[in-house]
Amino acid sequence: DIQMTQSPSSLSASVGDRVTITCQASEDISNYLNWYQHKAGKAPKLLIHDASNLETGVPSRFSGSGSGTDFTFTISSLQPEDNATYYCQQFDNLPLTFGGGTQVEIK
Amino acid sequence: QLQLQASGPGLVKPSETLSLTCTVSGGSISSRSYYWGWIRQPPGKGLECIGSIYYSGSTYYNPSLKSRVTISVDTSKNQFSLKLSSVTAADTAVYYCARLYYHDSSVYRAGWFDPWGQGTLVTVSS
Repeated sequence: DIQMTQSPSSLSASVGDRVTITCQASEDISNYLNWYQHKAGKAPKLLIHDASNLETGVPSRFSGSGSGTDFTFTISSLQPEDNATYYCQQFDNLPLTFGGGTQVEIK
Repeated sequence: QLQLQASGPGLVKPSETLSLTCTVSGGSISSRSYYWGWIRQPPGKGLECIGSIYYSGSTYYNPSLKSRVTISVDTSKNQFSLKLSSVTAADTAVYYCARLYYHDSSVYRAGWFDPWGQGTLVTVSS
């Protein structure tokens, strides 16, 4: 299985801050990577697919980049509603696998 | 708007079989473009893909669970189901169902879950 390593596992930032999360794959996965947002008690939501393609309706403050083994997810200006856990997920190989998650807390 | 809702017993005894059903509304489970998947998240741990099914009945199971998992589909009810046998405490988790957009060809690749159901907690305990 392809292992996905996210860091940090948690962070605390203020409204308006720029937040960056990294995801590293255990092997080259090209750009076959997605990002999800998971708010407590709710269904996870797809934000970005193919490393950098924003889903329709997702605010432009969210962005993704990277290819190969190293990927970055950025919130350019953190908002109160962004309080959530964020996961990366690869689809280069089955089984589809997720990173361990990054919990983003608003200070 | 497509919605998914997982349902089933919240408590299962060790060694028994966990059974969950996902009801799809606002769209057809028989769509040729999508698969339907199960994902779980044990308390304090990450997300794990359990497996998926196509409307025709074709399945994929995570090798780590393959010997214990059965996923089936009932197109007449717009539902798909999960059975996990011989459960232990390690199978305690929130179980999610989701639509899977998956393609694997030489010219196009895709593989993401969207949308997801809200999840249902299943506890394995005597």
